[in-house]
Amino acid sequence: ETGVTQTPRHLVMGMTNKKSLKCEQHLGHNAMYWYKQSAKKPLELMFVYSLEERVENNSVPSRFSPECPNSSHLFLHLHTLQPEDSALYLCASSQDGGGLREQFFGPGTRLTVL
Amino acid sequence: KQEVTQIPAALSVPEGENLVLNCSFTDSAIYNLQWFRQDPGKGLTSLLLIQSSQREQTSGRLNASLDKSSGRSTLYIAASQPGDSATYLCAVLGNTPLVFGKGTRLSVIA
Repeated sequence: ETGVTQTPRHLVMGMTNKKSLKCEQHLGHNAMYWYKQSAKKPLELMFVYSLEERVENNSVPSRFSPECPNSSHLFLHLHTLQPEDSALYLCASSQDGGGLREQFFGPGTRLTVL
Repeated sequence: KQEVTQIPAALSVPEGENLVLNCSFTDSAIYNLQWFRQDPGKGLTSLLLIQSSQREQTSGRLNASLDKSSGRSTLYIAASQPGDSATYLCAVLGNTPLVFGKGTRLSVIA
């Protein structure tokens, strides 16, 4: 596997369910990101992890809980979501600390909350 | 607070035309600017990255320019093809993490 992978690619869940999104990067990067993309809105940054420490939490509701166990893996734990949380959730990674700091994105998880 | 605007929101051109997509940003203190392509329902593919010290970058039929002082970037696509149809997103990295525009949805008609 190369690049940034995300699983599952599609997820349908009820408002009372608990699920997790997984992201894995194979690029040797030290920073990982979660973004939300809703219809007709710009990509919204949710969380940033740099060297496995959370450095940004963009006023995201507590029903979204990120976890970064190591520099290659990032999770987004979901519980008691609302229908308006339906969106494409994108994971990205980059190499921070100088250099290009170019971000590479995964294919996304299409989430539908019923 | 950095804001990124992309004009036009949508563009339809016949195959073979050269075209320009525009991106503007409000805070010129940027580290880099990236152009991405997104196909419907898919993730983002990085096309070009311009560092703040650079004026332009080229990759194949794509050329991106950056005028940091005026807060503008353009993406030039030469000899457009139906396969270029997608949404093109501009994003800037500065004192805040990557800030995106809403994108330009491009349709190239055969």
